[in-house]
Amino acid sequence: SQQGEEDPQALSIQEGENATMNCSYKTSINNLQWYRQNSGRGLVHLILIRSNEREKHSGRLRVTLDTSKKSSSLLITASRAADTASYFCATDGNTDKLIFGTGTRLQVFP
Amino acid sequence: ETGVTQSPTHLIKTRGQQVTLRCSSQSGHNTVSWYQQALGQGPQFIFQYYREEENGRGNFPPRFSGLQFPNYSSELNVNALELDDSALYLCASRPPGLSTDTQYFGPGTRLTVL
Repeated sequence: SQQGEEDPQALSIQEGENATMNCSYKTSINNLQWYRQNSGRGLVHLILIRSNEREKHSGRLRVTLDTSKKSSSLLITASRAADTASYFCATDGNTDKLIFGTGTRLQVFP
Repeated sequence: ETGVTQSPTHLIKTRGQQVTLRCSSQSGHNTVSWYQQALGQGPQFIFQYYREEENGRGNFPPRFSGLQFPNYSSELNVNALELDDSALYLCASRPPGLSTDTQYFGPGTRLTVL
């Protein structure tokens, strides 16, 4: 079974708008990561946030983590058509394997 | 590019057959994990190999097996294929001494079982 749930399942926006995706998970974690996947191909690592961090930035990406609510959010600012992809959160659940959520499909229209 | 390669890219098999998927890790990466991603789902952990030994397994039956070789390349074998085995299979490798936050994923092998 999946560890987490992403919300929304699908998101459509115009170029230049911001996109926000949320992730909830079930167990305690060491870190939480976000990945991007284009057209059912390999996963590209975007950003990692550790359990003792609350917010992290990387370029146009902003990630927040609330361990008390077991939730995280990924914000992509000033979206581009090239951001069209599926986005997954993944936790380690204090083990040596990644547990992925169900994903958010983002469509950015030019 | 992550430096992790997988072969073949696509594969079509029929129910009951056996399949072998291959993964070539980055040089020096001694840990490899395999994931199954069904259409519209997130990847699910199958198992992990460390220094040629299985080092953790997800909720998959024994007909899913693996090998890791001395050069740290890896194989995923699936026997008695079922229709539900149709999925994208991803391998991920990481260097020694680091935890899950430094995994490098390959592009995947898409398996279709008819």
